[in-house]
Amino acid sequence: GNSVTQMEGPVTLSEEAFLTINCTYTATGYPSLFWYVQYPGEGLQLLLKATKADDKGSNKGFEATYRKETTSFHLEKGSVQVSDSAVYFCALIRNTGGFKTIFGAGTRLFVKA
Amino acid sequence: NAGVTQTPKFQVLKTGQSMTLQCAQDMNHNSMYWYRQDPGMGLRLIYYSASEGTTDKGEVPNGYNVSRLNKREFSLRLESAAPSQTSVYFCATRGGGRADFYEQYFGPGTRLTVT
Repeated sequence: GNSVTQMEGPVTLSEEAFLTINCTYTATGYPSLFWYVQYPGEGLQLLLKATKADDKGSNKGFEATYRKETTSFHLEKGSVQVSDSAVYFCALIRNTGGFKTIFGAGTRLFVKA
Repeated sequence: NAGVTQTPKFQVLKTGQSMTLQCAQDMNHNSMYWYRQDPGMGLRLIYYSASEGTTDKGEVPNGYNVSRLNKREFSLRLESAAPSQTSVYFCATRGGGRADFYEQYFGPGTRLTVT
């Protein structure tokens, strides 16, 4: 079946450090891939997405590249800020079966000043 | 344009009590979803509705019922609350247009505690 695995947290970084959060997936066919972010006390919101192999999604300094050969979609940011402290969810969706999104367990990021 | 709204924001119930969580959207989306979020388990789908008048079970439907009242509203009912239903509940929609066909839009959540 379809699944998403992401690195366990929490991840604690100092401001301006480089961030990588690993995400791998299992799915048949050609899923679309997403990163969602959840700030404290809020719902999830889309951070970036990629809909086909080799696409790069980017937003707010974050990037992720859809790698079909390694079934991965790792999230990166070159210089994190305190305001990036949040929970990050990797997710996939396939255009069959009711378009249900499959979420990873989430990775909590703490950024220290 | 409020997006996806949920009421109430917080609720405390005693075991055995019932309640309905309300969700409304002004995005004109066909698909709506209910998730629960528990620590370390990500989001789990409870029920979803692909369009007005249809509902389907998700991953964890036991103990819940839903109603898709119209295109805008999708409610989640707990008939007899149990402590295992203590969680944060999120309503979400999914766009149907080409630009955002796959993206989900989430409400702010309802934090439910069952004692």
